[in-house]
Amino acid sequence: KNEVEQSPQNLTAQEGEFITINCSYSVGISALHWLQQHPGGGIVSLFMLSSGKKKHGRLIATINIQEKHSSLHITASHPRDSAVYICAVRSGTDKLIFGTGTRLQVFP
Amino acid sequence: NAGVMQNPRHLVRRRGQEARLRCSPMKGHSHVYWYRQLPEEGLKFMVYLQKENIIDESGMPKERFSAEFPKEGPSILRIQQVVRGDSAAYFCASSPKSGTITYEQYFGPGTRLTVT
Repeated sequence: KNEVEQSPQNLTAQEGEFITINCSYSVGISALHWLQQHPGGGIVSLFMLSSGKKKHGRLIATINIQEKHSSLHITASHPRDSAVYICAVRSGTDKLIFGTGTRLQVFP
Repeated sequence: NAGVMQNPRHLVRRRGQEARLRCSPMKGHSHVYWYRQLPEEGLKFMVYLQKENIIDESGMPKERFSAEFPKEGPSILRIQQVVRGDSAAYFCASSPKSGTITYEQYFGPGTRLTVT
């Protein structure tokens, strides 16, 4: 079993829909990251959080430390949100352990 | 403040050659992490370095791979005698970490290695 599990693996949505991506982890962590990667592209850090909730524009990330679970929400989704979203946890010597990613496609 | 720089962005090597990947961290950052993304797979940790010191190399293959982060200059990930299975995107990230505070890791654009 992977230490970081994401769901769903693939997600399609119509423009304007509310999107949720889930992440569960089984190790002790110092922080959790949500990352975005476009095809063939680099990696952009969206959030780093260790408790509660953070919001940036149309993106919201929450974490429940007791349940070892985090969610990434996208409100009013747009085709430019199409990308792979990756959950990663900081553990051990501060290295990142990654989930397998969620491939999101938003259609106009 | 320039971001994390990696070069080259694309590297083609024949089997048996050496590959050297460079990572210049953001200004003021003394910690570098290397990650590998194999085709159609997720990212995996390789090695974590501080200036002149390897902190964690638990993700490095036992043979042919080495990494360094000298006092001056970029961090180098070196792959000797490359094989087709080394073809991947290699990302580095840097952070200013000190003490017990957890800082953000900032990613470079990656080096895409192709072994022919």
